[in-house]
Parts: sequence; structure tokens; C-alpha cells
Amino acid sequence: KQEVTQIPAALSVPEGENLVLNCSFTDSAIYNLQWFRQDPGKGLTSLLLIQSSQREQTSGRLNASLDKSSGRSTLYIAASQPGDSATYLCASYGAGSYQLTFGKGTKLSVIP
Amino acid sequence: AAGVIQSPRHLIKEKRETATLKCYPIPRHDTVYWYQQGPGQDPQFLISFYEKMQSDKGSIPDRFSAQQFSDYHSELNMSSLELGDSALYFCASSLNRGYSNQPQHFGDGTRLSIL
Repeated sequence: KQEVTQIPAALSVPEGENLVLNCSFTDSAIYNLQWFRQDPGKGLTSLLLIQSSQREQTSGRLNASLDKSSGRSTLYIAASQPGDSATYLCASYGAGSYQLTFGKGTKLSVIP
Repeated sequence: AAGVIQSPRHLIKEKRETATLKCYPIPRHDTVYWYQQGPGQDPQFLISFYEKMQSDKGSIPDRFSAQQFSDYHSELNMSSLELGDSALYFCASSLNRGYSNQPQHFGDGTRLSIL
């Protein structure tokens, strides 16, 4: 059964800093990996999807990478802003599966 | 752009009552997913439907059932509600065409509170 781990559980950085969030998964036969943002009490906003054949995806200040051989994905946020404060979750699909398995998230606080 | 619509946004029920949650996917999306997120927990997959047929099943209790209708909206029916069912219930949709490689787009969720 796929297990997804995110470290650290919480992170506090000053505004303007570049930062990296980590995600690791146990089953390297993942089909793809998706990063989400969740604000308190709110829904999940899809940030980036990396398919198994890809190594990275970029959207604005966000860059996500995928290394299936090591079972890792990273989300890089450039020039962080207070509005980036939220919980970031990664989730993976297994091959032939329709369900996402989520990590427990990293709670990010960007201090003005 | 149109998003996934869930109703109601909040629902308060008592133990042993029933509840029905509704989900309207993004137009033209063919797959709907349901997830349950308990307090301080990560979302847990319950069930999914592709083209109105159940496509995958997760940790959905036998007290719960769901279906996808001809207009692609979906309903999650919950009976004999228990205190532990208090959670945020998310619906997501995607355009898969039979492949599980498309991003899932989530609604804002229904917050269910059991008294």
C-alpha cells in the first residue's frame, strides 16, 4: 500500500526566502504526483501535476520535481510571500488506480 | 472558470440520522471522487465513479453509498451517522477518458458535524 510522507510538518520562513517542501513515497510505481494547497477550513487547490514520465513542472514561482527512483518529490517556492502561507499536500496515484494517497502536509508560514 | 460545486457547505446532524451530500463536477469531466478529511488528518479516499460506474473503492463504510447520475453529478448518502463521521467531505472531478493521469480538481467541501 502506498505511503506518502511529508517533512517537515511545519515550516516558518521570512518573506522573500526561497524554500523547498519535501515529499517521499514508498511505491515507486506511481502513475503521477499532484501538489495541493489547502487554506484553513477550505478546499484543496491543485498546484501542479507531474506525470510519471516527467521530471518536473513549473507554474509561476512554483517548481515541482519528481524522482521516482528515489521515491521523492520536491516543491520549490521562489521569493515566498505572506499569501503563500497555507498547508501544502502532495498526493500520488498508483498505476491503474483512481485514488490519490495524501501525505499529512507541511504547514507553511511566511512571516512579513 | 467553472469549479466543482458541493452542497450543502455545512450540515449538522444527530447520531443515527441520514445525510446526503451532492457534488456537481466541472463541465465535461467524466470522473468524480469522494474523500473524507477528519480534523487534523489528511484526506482519505472513499469512492470514485467513471462514466457513472464505480471505478475504485477505498475506505468507505458500509453505511455510506454513492452514485453518479446521467448528468454526471454525484451524491454521497450516509446513514446511521456516528460521531466519528464528523469531517470535511470533498468531492473532486477530472477528465480521465479512462486514464488515471489527469489532475483532480477539488470542491470546497461539505463540513458535516454530528451532535
